[in-house]
Amino acid sequence: QVQLVESGGGLVKPGGSLRLSCAASGFTFSDYYMSWIRQAPGKGLEWVSYISSSGSTIYYADSVKGRFTISRDNAKNSLYLQMNSLRAEDTAVYYCARDRRDWNDVPDYWGQGTLVTVSS
Amino acid sequence: SYELTQPPSVSVSPGQTARITCSGDALPKKYAYWYQQKSGQAPVLVIYEDSKRPSGIPERFSGSSSGTMATLTISGAQVEDEADYYCYSTDSSGNHRRVFGTGTKVTVL
Repeated sequence: QVQLVESGGGLVKPGGSLRLSCAASGFTFSDYYMSWIRQAPGKGLEWVSYISSSGSTIYYADSVKGRFTISRDNAKNSLYLQMNSLRAEDTAVYYCARDRRDWNDVPDYWGQGTLVTVSS
Repeated sequence: SYELTQPPSVSVSPGQTARITCSGDALPKKYAYWYQQKSGQAPVLVIYEDSKRPSGIPERFSGSSSGTMATLTISGAQVEDEADYYCYSTDSSGNHRRVFGTGTKVTVL
């Protein structure tokens, strides 16, 4: 079965950095686009970024562009999100998700999320 | 930036029909998708490409789209359907950005 397990969240000071990881299993990781989506406490969902199966195509939300970097290692079945210059408004649960190509790349399976707290 | 607008809340009695709307200027050209998120859990996709149900999703969940509005319908709502629901789509301007709706809290009581 499809499993996505995020890790790397925690408490970080404003201006700091954090790297999130997502370990994938139960499907051929290298065949799928992948996404990061976040949810601030008590708020709605916000799309953050996605990356193509080869890693050659990447897009970001305006709110994180220039500060966050998505990447993947298909040999390790892993997705990453490098977060720099963190702000209080980046505080959220971060989910990784698999994008279903034949359904127009909609995120179909999600991990359980990892909490990032940006606070001094 | 592109926005998808939903009503903040919808209330329904058990066994009745709940309808949740999602309004967006690009919906005539782009598919709508719907997620259910129960408290403390990750979202689950319940409708894709306007009206299709993924495997394992109960038949009481259905979707439709017309013009700038998409609708998720829960026919014969159950207590376990109480959750937050989010629509999702993409911008038609070619910027490849994805958008979630503002979210609707469905209460079944």
